[in-house]
Amino acid sequence: TQLLEQSPQFLSIQEGENLTVYCNSSSVFSSLQWYRQEPGEGPVLLVTVVTGGEVKKLKRLTFQFGDARKDSSLHITAAQTGDTGLYLCAGRSPGAGNMLTFGGGTRLMVKP
Amino acid sequence: DSGVTQTPKHLITATGQRVTLRCSPRSGDLSVYWYQQSLDQGLQFLIQYYNGEERAKGNILERFSAQQFPDLHSELNLSSLELGDSALYFCASRDEKTGSTLHFGNGTRLTVT
Repeated sequence: TQLLEQSPQFLSIQEGENLTVYCNSSSVFSSLQWYRQEPGEGPVLLVTVVTGGEVKKLKRLTFQFGDARKDSSLHITAAQTGDTGLYLCAGRSPGAGNMLTFGGGTRLMVKP
Repeated sequence: DSGVTQTPKHLITATGQRVTLRCSPRSGDLSVYWYQQSLDQGLQFLIQYYNGEERAKGNILERFSAQQFPDLHSELNLSSLELGDSALYFCASRDEKTGSTLHFGNGTRLTVT
């Protein structure tokens, strides 16, 4: 079983601050996705990264896939209260078809 | 709105009972995935169906079963319920165009008392 560990588990910051959350594994993934989940709703895909070292930007969010495709990070610049939510990373293993393994999530709270 | 519909939204039942959760995938999607999310935890993969056939199994208990019908909707049956089965159950369909994006429903919150 592939294991994805996310850190920190909880993060509470003030609006305007920057933050980085991490997703780590000892296994290689063919691709990695980040989802955001808000209370009462299902996760929504933010990004998919495929190539080792790949960096993708989505407005104030920057996603990076590690060179060895075992880890990823999500950096948020100038956080806003609307960024509050549960951030989940999910990896797809080579040869595992389309099965996604999810990390435990980072619960982010951005205070005004 | 993801286009994935799950019913009911909430379910409260007693230990030992059996319940059925229902999911309709997005129009055009053939795959259905079921996940369990316990309090403040990530998503645990239960089972996947593609066009009516089981494709992959995760950590699904023997007390749980699922099926996908010819109209592509899916049902997850949970029996002999225990307190520890209380959780959010999510269904997702895989985007046939991208092949990698999962679109999640809003989940069914099951409370076993």
